[in-house]
Amino acid sequence: AQSVTQLDSQVPVFEEAPVELRCNYSSSVSVYLFWYVQYPNQGLQLLLKYLSGSTLVKGINGFEAEFNKSQTSFHLRKPSVHISDTAEYFCAVSRNSGGSNYKLTFGKGTLLTVNP
Amino acid sequence: GAVVSQHPSRVICKSGTSVKIECRSLDFQATTMFWYRQFPKKSLMLMATSNEGSKATYEQGVEKDKFLINHASLTLSTLTVTSAHPEDSSFYICSARDQRANTGELFFGEGSRLTVL
Repeated sequence: AQSVTQLDSQVPVFEEAPVELRCNYSSSVSVYLFWYVQYPNQGLQLLLKYLSGSTLVKGINGFEAEFNKSQTSFHLRKPSVHISDTAEYFCAVSRNSGGSNYKLTFGKGTLLTVNP
Repeated sequence: GAVVSQHPSRVICKSGTSVKIECRSLDFQATTMFWYRQFPKKSLMLMATSNEGSKATYEQGVEKDKFLINHASLTLSTLTVTSAHPEDSSFYICSARDQRANTGELFFGEGSRLTVL
């Protein structure tokens, strides 16, 4: 089984400041890793994903994340945030083993609040 | 990217009535869809895996008779909350995997907010 830990439930930052949202996972098998963003009363939108290859993954809206296998982490970063980045961010993991069921296991989410 | 659509986005119903929520994959086929429930300020809880042409697989603790799932075609899954009660009020989100892309990525619907009075 997999599990995901998002260490910060809330992260307040000022506009144009850098931000890092932390995510650690545990799994006995190889995994795929994802970051999703959720705006109020909406579904989830994929920010970026790590499947294989380069450990630095770039996503939409200027976000990037780095897969660190030794530390089992997949932290999300953005060098300069905007007010519009205020949202809930979820880290998720699924098994990298094929098959028809790719169940995602989610972290509890981190609320990023960007203040002017 | 692939698009998943949910309908209705919001529904208010009286206690004791049943409510159906639809989840459609608009530009791809999905043999498997997933239904999640999200409580306020909480993460997503997987309720069940919807399998086209067969019975859904429910997660532990989810009442099968309360949350009926039907996956009648490769582009449509429905969740029916039967005899709804106020404690069933929640945000329900479906997701689907584009089986052409073997990446494990799931595409999510916009969510459906159910309020039971």
